[in-house]
Amino acid sequence: SQTIHQWPATLVQPVGSPLSLECTVEGTSNPNLYWYRQAAGRGLQLLFYSVGIGQISSEVPQNLSASRPQDRQFILSSKKLLLSDSGFYLCAWSVLDRQGATEAFFGQGTRLTVV
Amino acid sequence: AQTVTQSQPEMSVQEAETVTLSCTYDTSESDYYLFWYKQPPSRQMILVIRQEAYKQQNATENRFSVNFQKAAKSFSLKISDSQLGDAAMYFCAYRSAYQAGTALIFGKGTTLSVSS
Repeated sequence: SQTIHQWPATLVQPVGSPLSLECTVEGTSNPNLYWYRQAAGRGLQLLFYSVGIGQISSEVPQNLSASRPQDRQFILSSKKLLLSDSGFYLCAWSVLDRQGATEAFFGQGTRLTVV
Repeated sequence: AQTVTQSQPEMSVQEAETVTLSCTYDTSESDYYLFWYKQPPSRQMILVIRQEAYKQQNATENRFSVNFQKAAKSFSLKISDSQLGDAAMYFCAYRSAYQAGTALIFGKGTTLSVSS
């Protein structure tokens, strides 16, 4: 069966420090991968998605970046965190089925607090 | 661009009663998928139900069912025989069927509380 791992679960970082959140998927190949952010009391905002190694699409311009160095690995990074980067970050994956698309399956999330 | 609107920030229901959560969406596409996700206090996103736009029949999963009105672009979730474990934030989501890599677009969510 497929599983998704996301870490760390919680993170407290000072303003101006770098960030690296990692997500890996097991049990499937060539998944579509996504990074979402959920601000307090709000919905999920799509940050990045990837349909293959090295292929990254950015939905929201900001000081975050994403990379996909391997088929089932997706990394969210920042060189210098801002207070506004605080939030709950979710990694997700999906694959094509016979009908063309599936729902997204989510990791456990990372609660990031920038202080 | 597609948008998803959940007009009820909060809803409440008594145990064993029925509650309906509303969702509307805007799209110019004719083929797409709609989803309801549940996010309990653990914050793990859990798929509740899925609806393909080309299917006229409303999806049902045990106590959860949807009322899909394609012309009205409405996709409400009905929870029957509500249980304490149903308390969570519920998100409505849209996904295009035309591009495999496109992501789900979410509404802002409805927080459901269940009282005994």
